[in-house]
Amino acid sequence: DAKTTQPTSMDCAEGRAANLPCNHSTISGNEYVYWYRQIHSQGPQYIIHGLKNNETNEMASLIITEDRKSSTLILPHATLRDTAVYYCIVRVASGGSYIPTFGRGTSLIVHP
Amino acid sequence: DTGVSQDPRHKITKRGQNVTFRCDPISEHNRLYWYRQTLGQGPEFLTYFQNEAQLEKSRLLSDRFSAERPKGSFSTLEIQRTEQGDSAMYLCASSSKTTYQETQYFGPGTRLLVL
Repeated sequence: DAKTTQPTSMDCAEGRAANLPCNHSTISGNEYVYWYRQIHSQGPQYIIHGLKNNETNEMASLIITEDRKSSTLILPHATLRDTAVYYCIVRVASGGSYIPTFGRGTSLIVHP
Repeated sequence: DTGVSQDPRHKITKRGQNVTFRCDPISEHNRLYWYRQTLGQGPEFLTYFQNEAQLEKSRLLSDRFSAERPKGSFSTLEIQRTEQGDSAMYLCASSSKTTYQETQYFGPGTRLLVL
């Protein structure tokens, strides 16, 4: 019952920018968007998060649209080691709690 | 290493046996989550604790599953009378929640195979 929509798969040439989109049209006004990635057989790794301003850290940049209904994760110079499944996550109301909820993510393949 | 740790990393068991997994969160984190992940799917929420209180359980968590966090530090997830459908990766995450922000940090997971 994920509240995010991502393409199933994408590919990118090594050294080029990888732009991974995510739709989260039902996100509530105060909830953040989080991005994680998961390399095969490992636990998900935190990448970046944001509310409404664009964010950048040493791993990636996050662009959030003004209406907050979608965002794009940018890996500016993709390497082979960036091949992974990338998850865009928002917290979803469940009972009296808000639970970080994963969808199926985007499988990014970076090729030489 | 001060990250989230899980033990064991791999477990093979026979159908009908009980298994217990342990998660040690980042020490200052007050929230601890358990997720289950099957092949080709994203992690699915099972349950979470705030300190020692178990605040939410998913419908996925049948009565064969039980989780504890007795002193608000490490947590255990027990599966009784395992079934082949329980084969999955079991992930633990911890976080320190502020009002609207909550960054989770995940452990490496425990991969369970039920024969």
